[in-house]
Amino acid sequence: GEDVEQSLFLSVREGDSSVINCTYTDSSSTYLYWYKQEPGAGLQLLTYIFSNMDMKQDQRLTVLLNKKDKHLSLRIADTQTGDSAIYFCAESYLNTDKLIFGTGTRLQVFP
Amino acid sequence: SQTIHQWPATLVQPVGSPLSLECTVEGTSNPNLYWYRQAAGRGLQLLFYSVGIGQISSEVPQNLSASRPQDRQFILSSKKLLLSDSGFYLCAWSSGPYKNIQYFGAGTRLSVL
Repeated sequence: GEDVEQSLFLSVREGDSSVINCTYTDSSSTYLYWYKQEPGAGLQLLTYIFSNMDMKQDQRLTVLLNKKDKHLSLRIADTQTGDSAIYFCAESYLNTDKLIFGTGTRLQVFP
Repeated sequence: SQTIHQWPATLVQPVGSPLSLECTVEGTSNPNLYWYRQAAGRGLQLLFYSVGIGQISSEVPQNLSASRPQDRQFILSSKKLLLSDSGFYLCAWSSGPYKNIQYFGAGTRLSVL
């Protein structure tokens, strides 16, 4: 069945780069997404990448997609304390409007 | 611009009581609407989605139901809450040519005691 996997925790020092990884199973996914959830809040769409792209950059965020390995990563440059949150990877399910979410990676940024 | 509202933000209910959570979207028409539940320390589970008024698809068997009485209104209900219904409930919408890009509300934290 469909499954999106992420590591549960990541801890980085302020100013360093963070890399959050995700593996997915549905090779027909049209889009892949990264969402951010701050404590007690809803999910904020950070960025998404179309499946025919390998990379997308948006300010401090870089998304890399390896379709062969079904691996997606989110790199945050110059990580700040305000980046501390849970980051969810998601894939579109069988080209429907439904999304399958990973369990989320909790990013902790320390000074 | 589009906005999504969920209320209440927090709710504490006794076991066996009814539930009604409401979600409304502004600034768009004919959106897809979704209800998710996030259990503590876990990812998101899709509960219901709707592509139009009165059209509801249920993703998992459960004690909850959903209704869409108006184009931009989505309601999550239960007749009798269980302890296992506790969690963080999120409503989302998508619209336009990119209906698989979903935008989320702020969520409702439900505690069933």
